[in-house]
Amino acid sequence: GQNIDQPTEMTATEGAIVQINCTYQTSGFNGLFWYQQHAGEAPTFLSYNVLDGLEEKGRFSSFLSRSKGYSYLLLKELQMKDSASYLCAPTSGTYKYIFGTGTRLKVLA
Amino acid sequence: DTGVSQNPRHKITKRGQNVTFRCDPISEHNRLYWYRQTLGQGPEFLTYFQNEAQLEKSRLLSDRFSAERPKGSFSTLEIQRTEQGDSAMYLCASSLGGSGETQYFGPGTRLLVL
Repeated sequence: GQNIDQPTEMTATEGAIVQINCTYQTSGFNGLFWYQQHAGEAPTFLSYNVLDGLEEKGRFSSFLSRSKGYSYLLLKELQMKDSASYLCAPTSGTYKYIFGTGTRLKVLA
Repeated sequence: DTGVSQNPRHKITKRGQNVTFRCDPISEHNRLYWYRQTLGQGPEFLTYFQNEAQLEKSRLLSDRFSAERPKGSFSTLEIQRTEQGDSAMYLCASSLGGSGETQYFGPGTRLLVL
């Protein structure tokens, strides 16, 4: 089976940096996806990590440690439009995603 | 726009009625997925198609639920004898094929069962 743990809510200030953690337990781990989901909208792809380490993509970076079952999403220079839910989805080499409950991020002015 | 599309975007129905949703995937994608999402939760996997073949159904998908992808292109999800607990966002996603690849989601169909 799979177990995914993310904080339920986080609050940060515009312009700040925020780190959203995800710990997981899954058999046959292959890689981990991060998606962003604004309220009432579909999830949109942010990043996919297969190897250990940090992958940077503009203001967003994602880190993976396979041995620790741990990932984080780092958001820099926060903007109001970053207020959304962030979904962690480890995959086990199969086609379907198993999502965590997501972390609701509120960015305050 | 060549993204995943879903229709209708919203559906309100009375308990006991049947509803059908449609998903049109990205044209070259041979894999199609259905998920259900309730408020405050992440999407939950329902079923998956490789071309026209339905290869897996979640235990969440009771006998009242059926999904088809007759020509390997668009898909329909039907819920018979709807119950209030079926109220949720139904999301469709598609991907090219292969392990660990990115799925692209449609805007979803929000169902409210009264």
